[in-house]
Amino acid sequence: DVKVTQSSRYLVKRTGEKVFLECVQDMDHENMFWYRQDPGLGLRLIYFSYDVKMKEKGDIPEGYSVSREKKERFSLILESASTNQTSMYLCASSFTGAAYYNEQFFGPGTRLTVL
Amino acid sequence: AQKITQTQPGMFVQEKEAVTLDCTYDTSDQSYGLFWYKQPSSGEMIFLIYQGSYDEQNATEGRYSLNFQKARKSANLVISASQLGDSAMYFCAMRERRTGTASKLTFGTGTRLQVTL
Repeated sequence: DVKVTQSSRYLVKRTGEKVFLECVQDMDHENMFWYRQDPGLGLRLIYFSYDVKMKEKGDIPEGYSVSREKKERFSLILESASTNQTSMYLCASSFTGAAYYNEQFFGPGTRLTVL
Repeated sequence: AQKITQTQPGMFVQEKEAVTLDCTYDTSDQSYGLFWYKQPSSGEMIFLIYQGSYDEQNATEGRYSLNFQKARKSANLVISASQLGDSAMYFCAMRERRTGTASKLTFGTGTRLQVTL
């Protein structure tokens, strides 16, 4: 079974703190993704990576950065957390290529609260 | 303009009844894929079903089927014989060629389904 794990289920941080959200997958997937989920807005893509050290901005990258030093690990970084970054963060991974049927596998999510 | 539209924020269905969750999409591509995911209260997204734009048959997976109407750009999820465990958020998503890489998904805002006794 594909396993995508996230470092924390719940996280509380203070405004201005640097926050790291970690995601690890065990299926040798090339692609990894970070989304945030807010009520009424669905899932919005923050960043994704299609290979080690490669990244692309998603729809809402402002205020975030990412790091992918190893294939199995994709980190989301909030350089200076703000209250409007309070949200549910979901990590996902998938195989690469133009195969449209390659679904994304999701982790359990991290609910981040910034006070 | 929204690429994926789910117009039903919430739905109720009685146990053992069938329910249809609506999804319309917008794309100018000929090749694309449509997905449905389920998100229980635990938070994890669970892949349910996939439909390719060139697939002639509607996709089915157990109690889930996808009513794909290409000309109308709709991809509605049908859940037959609803169970209490089907209570969850349901998201429709699309993968297009134009998003730069074939791996990106665009999600709708979701429909919360509540199954009642």
